[in-house]
Amino acid sequence: SQTIHQWPATLVQPVGSPLSLECTVEGTSNPNLYWYRQAAGRGLQLLFYSVGIGQISSEVPQNLSASRPQDRQFILSSKKLLLSDSGFYLCAWTGLAYNEQFFGPGTRLTVL
Amino acid sequence: GQSLEQPSEVTAVEGAIVQINCTYQTSGFYGLSWYQQHDGGAPTFLSYNALDGLEETGRFSSFLSRSDSYGYLLLQELQMKDSASYFCAVSPYSGAGSYQLTFGKGTKLSVIP
Repeated sequence: SQTIHQWPATLVQPVGSPLSLECTVEGTSNPNLYWYRQAAGRGLQLLFYSVGIGQISSEVPQNLSASRPQDRQFILSSKKLLLSDSGFYLCAWTGLAYNEQFFGPGTRLTVL
Repeated sequence: GQSLEQPSEVTAVEGAIVQINCTYQTSGFYGLSWYQQHDGGAPTFLSYNALDGLEETGRFSSFLSRSDSYGYLLLQELQMKDSASYFCAVSPYSGAGSYQLTFGKGTKLSVIP
């Protein structure tokens, strides 16, 4: 069966510090991968998506970047965090059944 | 671009039926999905409508009318555990087979005894 992992689960970082969030998927190959951010009490905003290794598309210009160094690994990074980067970061994947996205447990990031 | 509108909050009584509406504006899309998210948790898939009509999955049903740019999620025999946020989402046509989702802002459902 397929599983998706994200870490860390929670993170508190000072403004101006770097960020690296990791997402890995098991039990599938060549998935489409997605990073979302959810502000408190709000909907999900798509940040990046990837259809293959090294292929990254950005939906919203911002302080963040993404990379896909391996087929089932997706990384979200920032060189200098802003207060506005606080939120709940969710990784998701789709396989052959494109109508359904599977979400990881998320990382709750607080920037102080 | 795409936009989806859904009520921000709904309250219903345990055992009752509740309908959560979703209206959208999009130039073209593959289908309308619904996701459930409990406080602090990740969204989980509930249903998907590629074609107009009603899709039923247990206590949950979802409806789509492309001509009316409208869909809804129907929850029957409400249980306390159904208290959660519910998001509608469209899969807009896009290149490279990315099958992105654009989400509404969510409807917070509170089930009361």
